[in-house]
Amino acid sequence: GAVVSQHPSWVICKSGTSVKIECRSLDFQATTMFWYRQFPKQSLMLMATSNEGSKATYEQGVEKDKFLINHASLTLSTLTVTSAHPEDSSFYICSASAGQGLYDEQFFGPGTRLTVL
Amino acid sequence: AQSVTQPDIHITVSEGASLELRCNYSYGATPYLFWYVQSPGQGLQLLLKYFSGDTLVQGIKGFEAEFKRSQSSFNLRKPSVHWSDAAEYFCAVGPRSNDYKLSFGAGTTVTVRA
Repeated sequence: GAVVSQHPSWVICKSGTSVKIECRSLDFQATTMFWYRQFPKQSLMLMATSNEGSKATYEQGVEKDKFLINHASLTLSTLTVTSAHPEDSSFYICSASAGQGLYDEQFFGPGTRLTVL
Repeated sequence: AQSVTQPDIHITVSEGASLELRCNYSYGATPYLFWYVQSPGQGLQLLLKYFSGDTLVQGIKGFEAEFKRSQSSFNLRKPSVHWSDAAEYFCAVGPRSNDYKLSFGAGTTVTVRA
């Protein structure tokens, strides 16, 4: 299957700093990328959907200015957590799809563990 | 609003025994249904999906799932588990439209004992 990588796999930062997480599709062109957040023992919550070259679509309740998403190319999307606070600590997962429908399988990255001190 | 319930947080099975993971959904219409597996350090991997047709769906790694409309369920089964099946399993649903947003259950952790 297709491979999606995330970098870094884990990051620890101080409160008030910004953190950038990269999501790359290694062997296919990702028309659409998704960003999820996962709390311990809870389900993945979709944060936003991004299409290459256009603005991301955020889910209700997700702060656009807090979680900046850039899908600059067909193989790279970034999530920047701005002015991070301890409540932003979580497991962030991206997925990528070559298409725009449910028939187009989403391939998931291994996730990034963010800890804000 | 659509929702997915996985009633079992943690299941322990012996190697070679059968496994069944439960998934119930609440949705206005029959959604698309998925099962994913997440192993430590790896991304979620699609095991199988149901869109239409035969309600018994075969997936990878010897897994199968059965869609039961009357029970709003999509339970995952494997006749004989291997130690490598120890992982987190997620059921997910998606709408039958171009709104391709998946809703995930909370997951079931499977432990396999020798």
